[in-house]
Amino acid sequence: EAQVTQNPRYLITVTGKKLTVTCSQNMNHEYMSWYRQDPGLGLRQIYYSMNVEVTDKGDVPEGYKVSRKEKRNFPLILESPSPNQTSLYFCASSLWTGASGYTFGSGTRLTVV
Amino acid sequence: DQQVKQNSPSLSVQEGRISILNCDYTNSMFDYFLWYKKYPAEGPTFLISISSIKDKNEDGRFTVFLNKSAKHLSLHIVPSQPGDSAVYFCAASHSGNTPLVFGKGTRLSVIA
Repeated sequence: EAQVTQNPRYLITVTGKKLTVTCSQNMNHEYMSWYRQDPGLGLRQIYYSMNVEVTDKGDVPEGYKVSRKEKRNFPLILESPSPNQTSLYFCASSLWTGASGYTFGSGTRLTVV
Repeated sequence: DQQVKQNSPSLSVQEGRISILNCDYTNSMFDYFLWYKKYPAEGPTFLISISSIKDKNEDGRFTVFLNKSAKHLSLHIVPSQPGDSAVYFCAASHSGNTPLVFGKGTRLSVIA
């Protein structure tokens, strides 16, 4: 089944403790992206990647890092999480950036206390 | 500056009636528009799209209309069903190498 898989689905952590949210897709998509969803703010892009070893900042990249060492994986790294990074995170992938539409993962709900 | 705007945070419609969700955009370079539907505890799923060379695209109960001169698009759902209750996101792209830009979403409630 074609899908984007995120792990974990839920995570509660403490301020400053490094964490990684994994994202993997099995559709051989070039393009992958991370979004966060917050009440009243919709979906805001954190980082995106057009292909292996090519990443770029989205609208809200501060406090996040990403890497794209393999085509299928695009982990999101929070080196020193803070409470304002409490949010619902979605990974997405597509064949290319715009017209083909994105396939989203099921989301990761992160709480930083 | 918000390039894609969904000015109605929520909408309630009776079952069987028409739901109209609106979206405005400011970037005249956008030439591809999509609607996504999101249920709680799930990721958004692609619903319907339209390119700027068309003014209407229909898929079953869902129709998207594009008015380029007004920089406005709308999603019509006819007839509305309780299972359509979800958050709907409008998204736009300049075809090629620009990522999708999403609106803030409209929560649709279809009341039986």
